[in-house]
Amino acid sequence: GAGVSQSPSNKVTEKGKDVELRCDPISGHTALYWYRQSLGQGLEFLIYFQGNSAPDKSGLPSDRFSAERTGGSVSTLTIQRTQQEDSAVYLCASSPLGPSSTDTQYFGPGTRLTVL
Amino acid sequence: GESVGLHLPTLSVQEGDNSIINCAYSNSASDYFIWYKQESGKGPQFIIDIRSNMDKRQGQRVTVLLNKTVKHLSLQIAATQPGDSAVYFCAERVHGNEKLTFGTGTRLTIIP
Repeated sequence: GAGVSQSPSNKVTEKGKDVELRCDPISGHTALYWYRQSLGQGLEFLIYFQGNSAPDKSGLPSDRFSAERTGGSVSTLTIQRTQQEDSAVYLCASSPLGPSSTDTQYFGPGTRLTVL
Repeated sequence: GESVGLHLPTLSVQEGDNSIINCAYSNSASDYFIWYKQESGKGPQFIIDIRSNMDKRQGQRVTVLLNKTVKHLSLQIAATQPGDSAVYFCAERVHGNEKLTFGTGTRLTIIP
């Protein structure tokens, strides 16, 4: 079956522009997670959705970052007025139930964002 | 080419040998631990997990050991193959907390 998919796979943008990154989780997965992976770093948690709700947004680096999820499925991560330090690989993951269980998080291939 | 991991700890192992990747975690309240494998240009792939009420768990060619006393986690890969070359991350989670906290990763290179 299909895994987690993300689009675009690569995005190059100019400083100050807005970008939207898309995640399609595995069908039926309730929980959806966004992470950021900067050069030479581990994964940094950004936000998680349980259904369409985001109980904890404290991982978002600034108010330029926002995310939404509709229909309990697709999620969009939006970065406004991009800065060069936003350059990273943005990874999405989904799991069947949620974080209170020991569900495995299945990751997508990521979107590599480069801000010039 | 892929430049993620230039500053990562590295481990080089001869093909066929066993490898051990270590991870020190930070939160004594963490009760769930996972090892992920990340190949170049791909997202992390689940390898094996362990709960804090266990000290060892085995999978296919992999074993995870947990030492809660010293907050140490290790991943043992038996009879390494070229396809095992990747960056390996440990992750920890506190019960009821949605965040997985990842280590910085170790780059494993298998020498033919």
